[in-house]
Amino acid sequence: SQTIHQWPATLVQPVGSPLSLECTVEGTSNPNLYWYRQAAGRGLQLLFYSVGIGQISSEVPQNLSASRPQDRQFILSSKKLLLSDSGFYLCAWSARDRSLAKNIQYFGAGTRLSVL
Amino acid sequence: GENVEQHPSTLSVQEGDSAVIKCTYSDSASNYFPWYKQELGKGPQLIIDIRSNVGEKKDQRIAVTLNKTAKHFSLHITETQPEDSAVYFCAASALSGGYNKLIFGAGTRLAVHP
Repeated sequence: SQTIHQWPATLVQPVGSPLSLECTVEGTSNPNLYWYRQAAGRGLQLLFYSVGIGQISSEVPQNLSASRPQDRQFILSSKKLLLSDSGFYLCAWSARDRSLAKNIQYFGAGTRLSVL
Repeated sequence: GENVEQHPSTLSVQEGDSAVIKCTYSDSASNYFPWYKQELGKGPQLIIDIRSNVGEKKDQRIAVTLNKTAKHFSLHITETQPEDSAVYFCAASALSGGYNKLIFGAGTRLAVHP
């Protein structure tokens, strides 16, 4: 079965420090991968998606970047964190085959980031 | 751009009552409508979904209805239990450049009181 892992679960970082959040998927190949941000009490905002190694698309301009060095690894980064980067970050994956299953997105447990 | 509106933002019911959450979407090309349940401090979990070629789908105490003409869909939970308490998100999807983009509603915080 497929599983998705995100770490760390919580992170407290000072303003101006770098960030690296990692997400890995097991049990599937060639997944589409996604990074979302969820502000407190709000919905999910898509930040980045990737359809393959090295292929990253950004949905909104921001202080963050994403990379996909391996097929099932997705990394969210920042060189210098801002206060406004605080939030709950979620990684998700979906199948990239031609079946109907490709519509379904599965989420990780999330990382709660506090920038102080 | 694409938009999904979700109502109500909060919902409080007594155990055993029914709960209904409604969503409307703007993109007529949307063809897939999932519902997610998010418990405190966890990632959203898919609980039920419906595709545009179906008007209704049921899974035990949970059902979803879709009205394509009006561009709205609803989640119905019957015989609510305290463990149903969570935040529920609707979403609408449309294929875009080879991947499925999900536009989420703002969420409904459901509280089921014993």
